[in-house]
Amino acid sequence: GESVGLHLPTLSVQEGDNSIINCAYSNSASDYFIWYKQESGKGPQFIIDIRSNMDKRQGQRVTVLLNKTVKHLSLQIAATQPGDSAVYFCAENTGGGNKLTFGTGTQLKVEL
Amino acid sequence: DAGVTQSPTHLIKTRGQQVTLRCSPISGHKSVSWYQQVLGQGPQFIFQYYEKEERGRGNFPDRFSARQFPNYSSELNVNALLLGDSALYLCASSLGGYTGELFFGEGSRLTVL
Repeated sequence: GESVGLHLPTLSVQEGDNSIINCAYSNSASDYFIWYKQESGKGPQFIIDIRSNMDKRQGQRVTVLLNKTVKHLSLQIAATQPGDSAVYFCAENTGGGNKLTFGTGTQLKVEL
Repeated sequence: DAGVTQSPTHLIKTRGQQVTLRCSPISGHKSVSWYQQVLGQGPQFIFQYYEKEERGRGNFPDRFSARQFPNYSSELNVNALLLGDSALYLCASSLGGYTGELFFGEGSRLTVL
């Protein structure tokens, strides 16, 4: 069945280092993935998305990689800053429209 | 410009009661979606409304209902509250269509005692 899950619940990185957050999915028919950031006490915030016709997409300091062969995607954050500390969710658009299926989330902690 | 606004921000109810949560989307957005987020988990899709019509429903019981008004604002109603309904209820708006770029409000924190 459909599922979106994360490998690690918590990731600690030093300020200035690059962060990599991983996500696996199980439905080989999945074709649209999204990353969200959620800071404490706030709603999720869209970061970047990628469709299955792409392997890589870049934004400002972020890169999403999609490996359809092993059903894996990752979010890379360059030069991680204290403001990047948050929970990161990968999500999949599973029903068309705005129906997203979220994973459990990875807590990113940036150490000074 | 104002983002998605939700009210109330916090509320406490007892089992069996009913609750109504409200959401105002970003100006120009015609789609509103509702998500439930239990502590420590990712948001779970409840409903999507577009142009006042239901466009999607998640795996939630009939105690959950929603509607969208002509000004695109929306209400989520939950009847016969259970302890397990305690969660953060998030509203998200978008222009509509097939997109994953949703704009979330800060949520309504519901506690059921």
